[in-house]
Amino acid sequence: NAGVTQTPKFQVLKTGQSMTLQCAQDMNHNSMYWYRQDPGMGLRLIYYSASEGTTDKGEVPNGYNVSRLNKREFSLRLESAAPSQTSVYFCASGSAGIRNTEAFFGQGTRLTVV
Amino acid sequence: LAKTTQPISMDSYEGQEVNITCSHNNIATNDYITWYQQFPSQGPRFIIQGYKTKVTNEVASLFIPADRKSSTLSLPRVSLSDTAVYYCLVGDMNAGNNRKLIWGLGTSLAVNP
Repeated sequence: NAGVTQTPKFQVLKTGQSMTLQCAQDMNHNSMYWYRQDPGMGLRLIYYSASEGTTDKGEVPNGYNVSRLNKREFSLRLESAAPSQTSVYFCASGSAGIRNTEAFFGQGTRLTVV
Repeated sequence: LAKTTQPISMDSYEGQEVNITCSHNNIATNDYITWYQQFPSQGPRFIIQGYKTKVTNEVASLFIPADRKSSTLSLPRVSLSDTAVYYCLVGDMNAGNNRKLIWGLGTSLAVNP
């Protein structure tokens, strides 16, 4: 029972490089999310997808793009990495039922941009 | 959007009951209260959710007074493995997903032997 799987777990990028963070869930959830977590700050929502084929910006979308490839997969792309994007990134999924706040998180990707 | 206030840190000892209180004075009618737990180097894990009165599951209890301006997460007989950060979130659940939840800094709970 894998839940939410993120790859890679760690990554170091040089400024200006691009990369895609992968996320897959096996719980048949409609909603998927990408968050970043920085020291001294709570989790901040980057993008979310309420269902397959739809994506919307969250609180901090600048510098990121997302793709909801299918119901299982939701990827986050950094087109031109900047040191300010050094963070821990979490993917999450949820059933999106009314009055259901339970989301399942992946293990995170620790990204360093130098 | 409702904001929450909770203590930055708490200390306890094994076997004690721990109560973490969260203030959310601006909670709206449609808002639910949710608590998550996060261990170092892991993603947050859902603990419990409630709207009013008391909710209990196998992990914790959540007490919500009638005015809903605060809530208390109660962890019975904590162990060392309960050392983690606990987040209180308030959000409109009629939106059908978690996009409106705002994450604060949480409460860092340290359980000592």
